[in-house]
Amino acid sequence: DGGITQSPKYLFRKEGQNVTLSCEQNLNHDAMYWYRQDPGQGLRLIYYSQIVNDFQKGDIAEGYSVSREKKESFPLTVTSAQKNPTAFYLCASSKTGASGANVLTFGAGSRLTVL
Amino acid sequence: GDSVTQMEGPVTLSEEAFLTINCTYTATGYPSLFWYVQYPGEGLQLLLKATKADDKGSNKGFEATYRKETTSFHLEKGSVQVSDSAVYFCALDKAAGNKLTFGGGTRVLVKP
Repeated sequence: DGGITQSPKYLFRKEGQNVTLSCEQNLNHDAMYWYRQDPGQGLRLIYYSQIVNDFQKGDIAEGYSVSREKKESFPLTVTSAQKNPTAFYLCASSKTGASGANVLTFGAGSRLTVL
Repeated sequence: GDSVTQMEGPVTLSEEAFLTINCTYTATGYPSLFWYVQYPGEGLQLLLKATKADDKGSNKGFEATYRKETTSFHLEKGSVQVSDSAVYFCALDKAAGNKLTFGGGTRVLVKP
């Protein structure tokens, strides 16, 4: 079955360490996204990529980095510069197009806790 | 900029009660509107969508009508079940942006 796989599901990090969250999709979608979700809050866009080897900052990109070397993969690195990294991270993908009805498919999420 | 405002939760209901979750938006142009649902410990799933004014999206007994005159997209279900307990997110998308703007989410708890 097609879908998005995020790993790990749970991750613990010490302060000052970088960590990388994996996101893989087999939906042949062009666009991929990373969102952050904090308790009781909505989703905030970190980075997005509409094509291989290209990506754009979202609303809260500071302290994060991404790469898009393959269509299927969009890993997110949470760097030590991110001051409050404890959160639930959601990866999503979509077909790009001109219709505007951009339906996102989400992964199951990765919960990062800084000790 | 674009924004989506939802009623704050949690909303607590008894089984078979009527559910309404209000959603209003601010955007230029003609956005598409969505409701996504998040069950505990999971990612989001598309519940329904509407792409133009007066469209009604529907799925699993849920409905929402795109009202451009009131810039609203309220979610309704006539008879909720315990399995409807989840967090519901309203979102909008514009053709040029190709990325969604989400509301803050509304937690719904249905008790037997």
